[in-house]
Amino acid sequence: DGGITQSPKYLFRKEGQNVTLSCEQNLNHDAMYWYRQDPGQGLRLIYYSQIVNDFQKGDIAEGYSVSREKKESFPLTVTSAQKNPTAFYLCASSIEGVNMNTEAFFGQGTRLTVV
Amino acid sequence: GENVEQHPSTLSVQEGDSAVIKCTYSDSASNYFPWYKQELGKRPQLIIDIRSNVGEKKDQRIAVTLNKTAKHFSLHITETQPEDSAVYFCAASDGNTPLVFGKGTRLSVIA
Repeated sequence: DGGITQSPKYLFRKEGQNVTLSCEQNLNHDAMYWYRQDPGQGLRLIYYSQIVNDFQKGDIAEGYSVSREKKESFPLTVTSAQKNPTAFYLCASSIEGVNMNTEAFFGQGTRLTVV
Repeated sequence: GENVEQHPSTLSVQEGDSAVIKCTYSDSASNYFPWYKQELGKRPQLIIDIRSNVGEKKDQRIAVTLNKTAKHFSLHITETQPEDSAVYFCAASDGNTPLVFGKGTRLSVIA
């Protein structure tokens, strides 16, 4: 069953802790993305990767880190430096990394809450 | 960089009426304009897209129009149904950078 899978669905973090959100795709897509969704703010780009072992900062990268060691995987770490991490996080992928004018497929999202 | 503005933020229509959502973009190099629908608690999904070489595209009850000169594009939903209730996002890209999304429109279709 092809698709893009995020885990966990819900995540609770204590202040000062780092947490890692998982994103896996079996669509053989080159490009992968992380977006943050807040009420009334739309989808804001955190990081993206066009190819394995390469990634670029998006508009709100501060306090986040990523890696792209495998084509299928693009984990996002929310560090303690992120001042307001409570949000809904969406991972996406698209078939081409060079030309990004193609459909983005989204995962189900991870809702992170700081307690 | 690209900036996408979307209006209105909320929209309520009676079942069977039409709904129109409008977006403007700032980067004249943008050439791909998709629309995504996000139902409550679900992932955003592409419902229609348009590229800069066409002015209009239709798919059953939904259509998108593009005015490159004015740098705006719109989503039109006709004969709305309760299952059309969702948040709709427009987006734009020039192909070299990822999609930039609008802030979304919450559409409520009242039966």
